[in-house]
Amino acid sequence: DGGITQSPKYLFRKEGQNVTLSCEQNLNHDAMYWYRQDPGQGLRLIYYSQIVNDFQKGDIAEGYSVSREKKESFPLTVTSAQKNPTAFYLCASRRTLTGGNYGYTFGSGTRLTVV
Amino acid sequence: AQTVTQSQPEMSVQEAETVTLSCTYDTSESDYYLFWYKQPPSRQMILVIRQEAYKQQNATENRFSVNFQKAAKSFSLKISDSQLGDAAMYFCALDGANSKLTFGKGITLSVRP
Repeated sequence: DGGITQSPKYLFRKEGQNVTLSCEQNLNHDAMYWYRQDPGQGLRLIYYSQIVNDFQKGDIAEGYSVSREKKESFPLTVTSAQKNPTAFYLCASRRTLTGGNYGYTFGSGTRLTVV
Repeated sequence: AQTVTQSQPEMSVQEAETVTLSCTYDTSESDYYLFWYKQPPSRQMILVIRQEAYKQQNATENRFSVNFQKAAKSFSLKISDSQLGDAAMYFCALDGANSKLTFGKGITLSVRP
């Protein structure tokens, strides 16, 4: 079945460490997104990529980095510069055909906790 | 910039009754899409319903329907015959030409048996 796989499901980070969250999709979608979810904040956009080897900052990109070397993969690195990384992270993808927008497909998320 | 506002943080409905979740938005674009997503305790985001802004007809999906008022920039979700499985957090979202899905803060819906 096609879908988005995020790993790991739970991740613990020590102060000062960089960690990378994985996001892989086999939907042949062009665009991929990373969102952060905090209680009472909804989902906020971190980074997005419309095509391979290109990506743009979202609303809260500071302290994060991404790469898009393959269409299927869009990993997110949470760097030590991110002051409050404890949150739930969601990856999403969307097909970018003309003529319609049928919504975004989401992965099951990664819960990151700073210890 | 586009914004989405969900002003009610929580709502409760009796099983089998109807409930309406409110959402307002702001955008300078004329062509955009609106969505309602459901997030159950598993935290998996599930698309409930979508609305194309250029279509005047309100979207429906089984027990779920929307009241889309473009001039008022309002996009409410009506759930009919509420079921226990409808209990979840619901997010209203807007996708414009820049292809950045913007979410409201969500509303927690509880269903009383």
